[in-house]
Amino acid sequence: DAGVIQSPRHEVTEMGQEVTLRCKPISGHNSLFWYRQTMMRGLELLIYFNNNVPIDDSGMPEDRFSAKMPNASFSTLKIQPSEPRDSAVYFCASSLNARRLMNTEAFFGQGTRLTVV
Amino acid sequence: AQSVTQPDIHITVSEGASLELRCNYSYGATPYLFWYVQSPGQGLQLLLKYFSGDTLVQGIKGFEAEFKRSQSSFNLRKPSVHWSDAAEYFCAVGAMFSGGYNKLIFGAGTRLAVHP
Repeated sequence: DAGVIQSPRHEVTEMGQEVTLRCKPISGHNSLFWYRQTMMRGLELLIYFNNNVPIDDSGMPEDRFSAKMPNASFSTLKIQPSEPRDSAVYFCASSLNARRLMNTEAFFGQGTRLTVV
Repeated sequence: AQSVTQPDIHITVSEGASLELRCNYSYGATPYLFWYVQSPGQGLQLLLKYFSGDTLVQGIKGFEAEFKRSQSSFNLRKPSVHWSDAAEYFCAVGAMFSGGYNKLIFGAGTRLAVHP
C-alpha cells in the first residue's frame, strides 16, 4: 500500500481565498483524522471520521473550517476564507478502526504545508 | 483527563552517546502507548507501541521503550545515537472517549539535535 496520500504537499494562497486539502487514507482503514501542526500549538486534532461519519469535530477552530468524507477513500479539509493565522502543516492520518483501542495506531501522510499571505 | 507530558522540549546529544526521552501519561485505564518520530518535512512515523505484556518493547531504528505503570511513564531509549536520529519525537496515548471511540492524545514533542 502507498500509505496515506495527501495533496498538495505545499500550498501558498492569498488571504481570503478558499483552500482545499485532500487526503486518501490507507485502503481498509475505517478511521480518518485531520491534524494541524504549528510551532505554537504543536499537533492538534481537528476532526476525525469513522466509517465516513464525522465523530468529533470539537477541534475545528472556526466555522471557516469544514471537512468531508464522501467515501472511504477520500476526504477533504476546506478553509474558506483563509487567513494568515491558518498557516501550518496539516496532516491526515488513518487507522484501522477507532472503535477498537488496539487499532488506534495512526498512519500519517506527509502533510500539506499551507502558507496564507 | 487524558494527557501526555514530554518534559523536555529540546535535547542535544553527541553522536554515539546514549539517549533517553521522557514521557508521562495520565489515563485511568490500561494505556495503549506509542512513540512516533518526525523527520524534517515529513509526516509522523511509528517507532514502537505498547499494548500489553512485556513492559520493554523494541522498535525500529534501534529504539526501545519501557512502560512503568507505577511511574505512569513510557520513556524512549537508544544506546548509541546516530546523526540521522535528529528529529522530533512524539509520545502518544490511545484513549477511549464517549461513544466508544478512541483517538490518540499526543505530547508536545521533544526535538532532538545530534552533535558530531
